Amino acid sequence: DIQMTQSPSSLSASVGDRITITCRASQGFRNDLGWYQQKPGKAPKRLIYAASSLQSGVPSRFSGSGSGTEFTLTISSLQPEDFATYYCLQYNSYPLTFGGGTKVEIK
Amino acid sequence: EVQLLESGGGLVHPGGSLRLSCAASGFTFSNYAMSWVRQAPGKGLEWVSVISNDGATIYYAESVKGRFTISRDSSNNMFSLQMNSLGAEDTAIYYCARGGQSLSGFDYWGQGTLVTVSS
Repeated sequence: DIQMTQSPSSLSASVGDRITITCRASQGFRNDLGWYQQKPGKAPKRLIYAASSLQSGVPSRFSGSGSGTEFTLTISSLQPEDFATYYCLQYNSYPLTFGGGTKVEIK
Repeated sequence: EVQLLESGGGLVHPGGSLRLSCAASGFTFSNYAMSWVRQAPGKGLEWVSVISNDGATIYYAESVKGRFTISRDSSNNMFSLQMNSLGAEDTAIYYCARGGQSLSGFDYWGQGTLVTVSS
């Protein structure tokens, strides 16, 4: 099984800040990775797939990169609606596995 | 508009059974793999199971293998998760989601249904 280690587990940031979240995989793969945003009481929402492809309708301030064992999600200028928890998901092989999540809070 | 609507959640005693269903609409159901993902209270996301578009290929997380059974009824645009031998560790919100490995993850999710295993 591929384990996904996500960091940090939480961060405090201000509106307008640039933030980066990282997921490290226990085994390398090309780009079978997605990023999801979840707000309290809501279902997750896909932001990024194939490591760097932006889901339709998602603002361009979100971007993803990486391959192999290290992947990153960057929010270039944090907006009030971006305060949420973010998860990575590897879909290279079953069982599909999520990272532990990163809670982005207002500083 | 793609819609996924779960039903069947509730309170069940340890060792009991429950069947979750997910009604799909707004897309050609028979073209897509479908998955269940769960989230224990205050915890992260855990993928549970996937069924291929034709029902021929199924995978389970190790934590539920042998206890849960996924199935689909493409004539009614529904798929289900039969959960047996439930334990406290199965308490979670269960989401149905469109996709799996073949769809680069999950592009649409239901609103979730809460399963509580408690005596």
